[in-house]
Amino acid sequence: EDQVTQSPEALRLQEGESSSLNCSYTVSGLRGLFWYRQDPGKGPEFLFTLYSAGEEKEKERLKATLTKKESFLHITAPKPEDSATYLCAVRQHSNYQLIWGAGTKLIIKP
Amino acid sequence: DSGVTQTPKHLITATGQRVTLRCSPRSGDLSVYWYQQSLDQGLQFLIQYYNGEERAKGNILERFSAQQFPDLHSELNLSSLELGDSALYFCASSNPTGGSGEAFFGQGTRLTVV
Repeated sequence: EDQVTQSPEALRLQEGESSSLNCSYTVSGLRGLFWYRQDPGKGPEFLFTLYSAGEEKEKERLKATLTKKESFLHITAPKPEDSATYLCAVRQHSNYQLIWGAGTKLIIKP
Repeated sequence: DSGVTQTPKHLITATGQRVTLRCSPRSGDLSVYWYQQSLDQGLQFLIQYYNGEERAKGNILERFSAQQFPDLHSELNLSSLELGDSALYFCASSNPTGGSGEAFFGQGTRLTVV
């Protein structure tokens, strides 16, 4: 069964404390893996697309990486404004659907 | 700004009523997705349309229906509303056959059923 699992469910860090969020997936024929950020009461905001193992993308303090089984969202020296829920989704080649993880709620304390 | 427009932003209605939520996708996107998000919950996929045709169905109640029109905008109709239908409803659009296929979300419609 196609599945996306994110861990941990929640993560509390001190400002400046780097860490990583995990997105593991089981899907046949990965077309793309997507990371989003969602603030409370707002729509998810697109961050990155990764297509193949070994690929990396960066944006400010965030770096996303992809292997054949999982993706990591590394956050370096986070700030309180990085607090949000981070969502991962995958798309298969064979259909148009998106399969979503449940998200990781990230809290950065000043 | 994602380019996806949802109206209205807020809606307050009584139990038993019917409402219509509207979504205008990004220019060029043929696919529209509808999601429900209750308080502190994850995104629950409701339904997907591609170029006017239904493509996938998630956990959509029979009281809910949707359609995508020739101009590609979409409407989600919710009827016989119950208190438990209070939630944020998001629309997203993508071009799944072209580009990288990522979805872009609107800012949502907050539905409150009283």
